[in-house]
Amino acid sequence: DAGVIQSPRHEVTEMGQEVTLRCKPISGHDYLFWYRQTMMRGLELLIYFNNNVPIDDSGMPEDRFSAKMPNASFSTLKIQPSEPRDSAVYFCASSRDPPGNTIYFGEGSWLTVV
Amino acid sequence: AQSVTQPDIHITVSEGASLELRCNYSYGATPYLFWYVQSPGQGLQLLLKYFSGDTLVQGIKGFEAEFKRSQSSFNLRKPSVHWSDAAEYFCAVGFSGGYNKLIFGAGTRLAVHP
Repeated sequence: DAGVIQSPRHEVTEMGQEVTLRCKPISGHDYLFWYRQTMMRGLELLIYFNNNVPIDDSGMPEDRFSAKMPNASFSTLKIQPSEPRDSAVYFCASSRDPPGNTIYFGEGSWLTVV
Repeated sequence: AQSVTQPDIHITVSEGASLELRCNYSYGATPYLFWYVQSPGQGLQLLLKYFSGDTLVQGIKGFEAEFKRSQSSFNLRKPSVHWSDAAEYFCAVGFSGGYNKLIFGAGTRLAVHP
């Protein structure tokens, strides 16, 4: 089975540019999570979806961030406009009904905003 | 509010020595408990999890963890550390009752001396 697939793995962009991160969850998983990891704040949950519907977006830092899940096999996290403080590793994860079922993480998208 | 504390930011052990990484949580009931490992440049991999039953759980790579309700702890142990265990370790908690997300501790970075 393929795991959670994220793209791009690495992105360097200039401040003010739009960034789109993509995620393909594991087939059959109906929960999808977006996490951000930084040295200062550790792992933070940004938003999660259940059956393609956003359930909790309280962790989204501000309006510059948006996430969509148009279908069960694809999700995007968009930052527009990007700022240097958005530099972080963004992880996508998926599971069947958590927390009783394991949440599986992708390898992350390493974003640098200069 | 629910929280997870990993008191040790960095730990260094010699190869072959035993290891214990600490994790404490704050929650009124028994949570779902997890340990994840993150190797440099990689995503998070589940080591083990506890939901109920035997309070000593075995995981992959020779790790085990013990749930102690009286201490609100879920410490990770390994009797003999290998150099390849050098990584960052995250304790996480999940909660039942429709609260489907995981809350992560700040992580403990493990260094292994030859």
